[in-house]
Amino acid sequence: DAGITQSPRHKVTETGTPVTLRCHQTENHRYMYWYRQDPGHGLRLIHYSYGVKDTDKGEVSDGYSVSRSKTEDFLLTLESATSSQTSVYFCAISEREYEQYFGPGTRLTVT
Amino acid sequence: DAKTTQPPSMDCAEGRAANLPCNHSTISGNEYVYWYRQIHSQGPQYIIHGLKNNETNEMASLIITEDRKSSTLILPHATLRDTAVYYCIVRATDSWGKLQFGAGTQVVVTP
Repeated sequence: DAGITQSPRHKVTETGTPVTLRCHQTENHRYMYWYRQDPGHGLRLIHYSYGVKDTDKGEVSDGYSVSRSKTEDFLLTLESATSSQTSVYFCAISEREYEQYFGPGTRLTVT
Repeated sequence: DAKTTQPPSMDCAEGRAANLPCNHSTISGNEYVYWYRQIHSQGPQYIIHGLKNNETNEMASLIITEDRKSSTLILPHATLRDTAVYYCIVRATDSWGKLQFGAGTQVVVTP
């Protein structure tokens, strides 16, 4: 597997609390992505980054913010978690425009 | 990006070739065909991609029709570990990272 780790792997939190998910890579890839996966919706892009401090929105970015202060880390923050954000979150990286490599995922439950 | 159509499910006997079809009749000239798969509870895994020529790597072969309106992913000797959801994705070369995952094909390899 490509050198991608996600933390935490599982988290249960209450509605209204802030949550930060971390994606860490050791591949020095330029591009990093956050997806969420829900039954019936497949994988959907939340935000992506094309370099340090360079980020852009995906198709389901409302309620999420991201930061990338160094090449290896891409943080996804839910400022005030809602039950609709219960999901499995995947981070991915790529260097070229072709293949993306995905992390193991973080299962988030908002109660 | 063009839309793809895949059968929802298919079975394959272990040791036999698995041929996974994908229809992308509205594909444009600058759009590549990508295949990913997702084994249960894991992150998606890149398999192969192509533009118009047939491609082969250590995992699979990709056959694209001459008119580029459909393609077939071939797993030459399916194993039980190939049981997964397989996604066919069409993406333009200038849409970095924006993979649009559909429902995919659930492939079950049986002994």
